[in-house]
Amino acid sequence: NAGVMQNPRHLVRRRGQEARLRCSPMKGHSHVYWYRQLPEEGLKFMVYLQKENIIDESGMPKERFSAEFPKEGPSILRIQQVVRGDSAAYFCASSPPGGQPSGTGELFFGEGSRLTVL
Amino acid sequence: AQSVAQPEDQVNVAEGNPLTVKCTYSVSGNPYLFWYVQYPNRGLQFLLKYITGDNLVKGSYGFEAEFNKSQTSFHLKKPSALVSDSALYFCAVRESYNTDKLIFGTGTRLQVFP
Repeated sequence: NAGVMQNPRHLVRRRGQEARLRCSPMKGHSHVYWYRQLPEEGLKFMVYLQKENIIDESGMPKERFSAEFPKEGPSILRIQQVVRGDSAAYFCASSPPGGQPSGTGELFFGEGSRLTVL
Repeated sequence: AQSVAQPEDQVNVAEGNPLTVKCTYSVSGNPYLFWYVQYPNRGLQFLLKYITGDNLVKGSYGFEAEFNKSQTSFHLKKPSALVSDSALYFCAVRESYNTDKLIFGTGTRLQVFP
């Protein structure tokens, strides 16, 4: 049973370019969470999505950042016009479907996508 | 709002000695608490969780944690540390009962010396 898959693992962009990070949740999971980890800092929640719906985007910067989780295909975190401060590790996590939290309770994390902005 | 605090940025311990990584929580209602570990350049791995039941929770790799309601703490412990336990440890709390969204602490770097 494949885990959460993120790609690319490493991405280098120049200021002003766009970054697209992809996340395929674990098989059977339909909830996706994106977190950002700045160097030497903890994980900050960004957005929570279910298929075709953004449930909670309270941690998303108001500009340049967007996320989607289409009916088919991976979830995508998009950063437009990147700046050096966007350099970070972006982690995706997934959990099973259902109105209640998953029976096991924990989130399952991918290996992360490390964005470097030159 | 739910939150957790990890008061120590780094913990150093000699191999073979017991280790404790501290976490305190602030929640309304019953807390759902978690510990995760992150090795360099890797994602987070689940160690253990407290939802309800016994206050002493056993998890992966010989780790355990004790839920203490009176002290609002959920410290991570291991009786005998290994060099391979050196990593970044995160305490987390579920934001509310009807979501799996987790709020993380700032992390504690554990360094185990041979």
